[in-house]
Amino acid sequence: AQSVTQLDSQVPVFEEAPVELRCNYSSSVSVYLFWYVQYPNQGLQLLLKYLSGSTLVKGINGFEAEFNKSQTSFHLRKPSVHISDTAEYFCAVSVNTGTASKLTFGTGTRLQVTL
Amino acid sequence: DTAVSQTPKYLVTQMGNDKSIKCEQNLGHDTMYWYKQDSKKFLKIMFSYNNKELIINETVPNRFSPKSPDKAHLNLHINSLELGDSAVYFCASSLKQTQYFGPGTRLLVL
Repeated sequence: AQSVTQLDSQVPVFEEAPVELRCNYSSSVSVYLFWYVQYPNQGLQLLLKYLSGSTLVKGINGFEAEFNKSQTSFHLRKPSVHISDTAEYFCAVSVNTGTASKLTFGTGTRLQVTL
Repeated sequence: DTAVSQTPKYLVTQMGNDKSIKCEQNLGHDTMYWYKQDSKKFLKIMFSYNNKELIINETVPNRFSPKSPDKAHLNLHINSLELGDSAVYFCASSLKQTQYFGPGTRLLVL
């Protein structure tokens, strides 16, 4: 079975400052990794994903993440945040099961951007 | 054009009632899912259908029954609603490994 740990439940940051949201996973097989963002009272939007290839993945809204197999991590970063980045961020893993991908989510990190 | 849509967006009902939530995707995906997000925002998969066939069925009470009339639709029927069923229910569809989520249905059981 897979598991995902997001150690920081909340991350406060000033606007235009850099931010890193941490994600570690556990799995006995190869995984696919995802970050989703949930704005207040909205659904989940895919930010970025790692399926294979380059370990540095760029996503929407200026976010990027780096897959580190030895550290079993997939931390999300942005060099300069904006007020509009305030949201809940979820890291998730899945494994290849053939016809379906079963996503296992972390508990989420609340990014609070202030002026 | 909404890729994954759900109706209703909000659902308030009494304990013991039966209710349904509908989901439709226009992405041409073969696989659809239901997830539950609890009050602490934790997300957990409930079911998955591939081309109308049930392929993932997590430990979910029998009161929850998914139905897929075709591969673009996956509905969730809940019998005898309980207070603990209050949550946000998300539908998703996938092409290979990547899942795309609907806007969610906020269910409140009184």
